[in-house]
Amino acid sequence: DTEVTQTPKHLVMGMTNKKSLKCEQHMGHRAMYWYKQKAKKPPELMFVYSYEKLSINESVPSRFSPECPNSSLLNLHLHALQPEDSALYLCASSQTPGTQETQYFGPGTRLLVL
Amino acid sequence: AQSVTQPDIHITVSEGASLELRCNYSYGATPYLFWYVQSPGQGLQLLLKYFSGDTLVQGIKGFEAEFKRSQSSFNLRKPSVHWSDAAEYFCAVGDTGFQKLVFGTGTRLLVSP
Repeated sequence: DTEVTQTPKHLVMGMTNKKSLKCEQHMGHRAMYWYKQKAKKPPELMFVYSYEKLSINESVPSRFSPECPNSSLLNLHLHALQPEDSALYLCASSQTPGTQETQYFGPGTRLLVL
Repeated sequence: AQSVTQPDIHITVSEGASLELRCNYSYGATPYLFWYVQSPGQGLQLLLKYFSGDTLVQGIKGFEAEFKRSQSSFNLRKPSVHWSDAAEYFCAVGDTGFQKLVFGTGTRLLVSP
C-alpha cells in the first residue's frame, strides 16, 4: 500500500476562520512533507517532519502551523489566512528523510480563502 | 542551489505518436533525478527516478528516461502516447544541500485524437 490520504478534499474558509488539514499514511514512513501548489505552478515545499520532529520550515508565515502527533499523521492548522493562500495543499511522505528518497503524494486539499 | 529547467510549457502530441519531454538540471555532482506526473486536481505520482548506474531508466506506464551527464539532461520518453497520458509532468532534482526536492516548472502534455 503506497497511499497517502488527505482530508478534506475541498475547503472554503473565511479569513477569520480556524481550520485544519489532515494527512495520513500507513507505510511506516518517517518523513512527512507539506507542499503548497498554486495553479499552473510546481509544488513549493513548506515543512518537513523527520521522525516526528520539524526539520525544515521554508519561512512559512505563522498563520500556517504544522503538527505531527505521531509517525502516521500530519496536520496543518490554518488561522487568519489571506486570499492569496488559496491553493492546492499537498502532503507527501517518504521512508526516511533525504533527497534520494521517493516521496509519495496525497491527492491534496484544495483550499479557497474568501 | 540546484535548479531544474523544463523548457516546454505545453506540448501537443497525437495519440499513438512518440513523446519526449525535456529536463535540464544544474548540479555539480551526480544528482538524484525524478519525473512525476500530475493529473488535473490530483497529487503527484512518481514515474521513475535515477540515482546511479544504468543511465536509461524504465518507469511505470511505459515511460523511460535517459540521464546524460554531458548535457545535464534527464529527458522523459514514451514510444506511443495514450489519451490518458494527458497531464502535467514535473522533473525534479534532489537538493542535498537544502534537503529538498527542487521541481521544474512543469510541462503540460495535451494528446490529440
